[in-house]
Amino acid sequence: NAGVMQNPRHLVRRRGQEARLRCSPMKGHSHVYWYRQLPEEGLKFMVYLQKENIIDESGMPKERFSAEFPKEGPSILRIQQVVRGDSAAYFCASSPTASADTQYFGPGTRLTVL
Amino acid sequence: ELKVEQNPLFLSMQEGKNYTIYCNYSTTSDRLYWYRQDPGKSLESLFVLLSNGAVKQEGRLMASLDTKARLSTLHITAAVHDLSATYFCAVDAGSGTYKYIFGTGTRLKVLA
Repeated sequence: NAGVMQNPRHLVRRRGQEARLRCSPMKGHSHVYWYRQLPEEGLKFMVYLQKENIIDESGMPKERFSAEFPKEGPSILRIQQVVRGDSAAYFCASSPTASADTQYFGPGTRLTVL
Repeated sequence: ELKVEQNPLFLSMQEGKNYTIYCNYSTTSDRLYWYRQDPGKSLESLFVLLSNGAVKQEGRLMASLDTKARLSTLHITAAVHDLSATYFCAVDAGSGTYKYIFGTGTRLKVLA
């Protein structure tokens, strides 16, 4: 049973470009969560999605960031017009239900903005 | 707003020694998680503590939860170099909710 998959693992963008981060949850999991980890800090919740629905985006910056989890395919975290402050590790987690005992984390995407 | 604090932030210890990492949180929660992260890697789940008084042990690590004191501890017994990593606690933001609030992490270095 494959774990949570994320790609790319490393992404380099220049200021002003777009970054698209993908997350495929574990098989049988329909709940996806995105977290951001700035250097030397803990993870910060960004958004929680179920298939075709955004349930809670209270941790998402108001501008330039968006997320989706379509009926088919991976969840996408999209960052438009990236700035240097967006450089971070972005982790996706999944669970079979919202109240599951634990969330399972993917390997992360490390975004570097030049 | 729920806040989660860990201490110490940095810990350097000799092999064979014992030490405890503390995780305090500011509002009621009955779920607490401990994760390990190696540099450049993802988070590995260590313990899930679901009730007051819960105690779990795995190898040289033991975690406990006191929901009344809003405190969890991660105790390391006879540390070995392989335990060097950053350890995070995370608290469920509300009973059965999905939002994990992470502590700042404790960076542990075990010296040979």
